[in-house]
Amino acid sequence: AQSVSQHNHHVILSEAASLELGCNYSYGGTVNLFWYVQYPGQHLQLLLKYFSGDPLVKGIKGFEAEFIKSKFSFNLRKPSVQWSDTAEYFCAVNAQYNFNKFYFGSGTKLNVKP
Amino acid sequence: DTGVSQNPRHKITKRGQNVTFRCDPISEHNRLYWYRQTLGQGPEFLTYFQNEAQLEKSRLLSDRFSAERPKGSFSTLEIQRTEQGDSAMYLCASSLVRGRSGNTEAFFGQGTRLTVV
Repeated sequence: AQSVSQHNHHVILSEAASLELGCNYSYGGTVNLFWYVQYPGQHLQLLLKYFSGDPLVKGIKGFEAEFIKSKFSFNLRKPSVQWSDTAEYFCAVNAQYNFNKFYFGSGTKLNVKP
Repeated sequence: DTGVSQNPRHKITKRGQNVTFRCDPISEHNRLYWYRQTLGQGPEFLTYFQNEAQLEKSRLLSDRFSAERPKGSFSTLEIQRTEQGDSAMYLCASSLVRGRSGNTEAFFGQGTRLTVV
């Protein structure tokens, strides 16, 4: 089975700081990759996704992620965070051999101090 | 709101009781998923439907759990003889899958938080 690792469980930043959240997955084949965000009291929302093509993916709200196949990684970045980015961020993967399931990491809680 | 809708949002039940949750997916979506999320964890796959057919079930889904999607639209998840370990957020998601392509994203509802006391 797939596994998805998010090594940072809780990150605290000040506004305008740069953000990078790590995500590594275990499957060696072709994968689709996602970052979801969950704002307090809200449902999971898609930030960005990678299916194929340019490994640098741009999403909503200034977020981007880079797929590095050799490192099995899909790290999320934002050059300058805002207080409104306070949320929990989940990396998810599905394997193209079995795209019926999305495997999620355990999440990273981001707290941005104003 | 045309997103995924789940009811109820919260359910408190006594151990041993049965509970049923409902999910209304995005209307044109042919795939529907159920996930479970416990504190400090990401969502874990339970089962999914392609139209009305339940095609895969996780080992997490014990025989006390049953899910249906009778007409390929809304779905229900029933837990019989609830246990305290069933306390979790139950998430429903839907997606539109075209042909054999796996390039699809899942849209999630707000979940039903179950507390078994």
